[in-house]
Amino acid sequence: GAVVSQHPSWVICKSGTSVKIECRSLDFQATTMFWYRQFPKQSLMLMATSNEGSKATYEQGVEKDKFLINHASLTLSTLTVTSAHPEDSSFYICSARDGTGSEQYFGPGTRLTVT
Amino acid sequence: SQKIEQNSEALNIQEGKTATLTCNYTNYSPAYLQWYRQDPGRGPVFLLLIRENEKEKRKERLKVTFDTTLKQSLFHITASQPADSATYLCALGRGSSNTGKLIFGQGTTLQVKP
Repeated sequence: GAVVSQHPSWVICKSGTSVKIECRSLDFQATTMFWYRQFPKQSLMLMATSNEGSKATYEQGVEKDKFLINHASLTLSTLTVTSAHPEDSSFYICSARDGTGSEQYFGPGTRLTVT
Repeated sequence: SQKIEQNSEALNIQEGKTATLTCNYTNYSPAYLQWYRQDPGRGPVFLLLIRENEKEKRKERLKVTFDTTLKQSLFHITASQPADSATYLCALGRGSSNTGKLIFGQGTTLQVKP
């Protein structure tokens, strides 16, 4: 149980275009989902917290207009990187938790490369 | 500011030995601490959670200790195997309420040699 999937697993896009990444909880309802970014040999940095049916809460320094998050259902959250630049190239990982449990379950990650 | 430190140097041990990884933190009083395993190009996999009022937690070959006075957690893998080779991340729960937000350390890479 507690499986989280992400799609796509990798994507290459041109500078200036937008890319959407999906995060799904497959066997549980995720009231809260989190989006992280990880650069090579660095740790995971929390970008935003997404609660179903409400606006996402962004961490300091993360542009909400650039990284659009939608949590429309209890099993799906999406992250859209708008007007992508090469510096947005990174490994994007989502996690989800059910209810108020402390355990989080992570997706396999999405490798974004902006050319 | 809040800071989490894990050994940045890789830990190399022989198969069968016990691996001990350290996680130290400052300027913070977390309600709980978690340990994750991350393989290259993959998302983290949850291993263990220990709360502030718990001293020790075990799961199969894994053991975690949590010393809130020293502000340190130790993660042990007994009878280590080459398949245990990975990067291990500690993460602290943050926020005054149960937000679920985590702060991650940079991870320690463990290499178990056969």
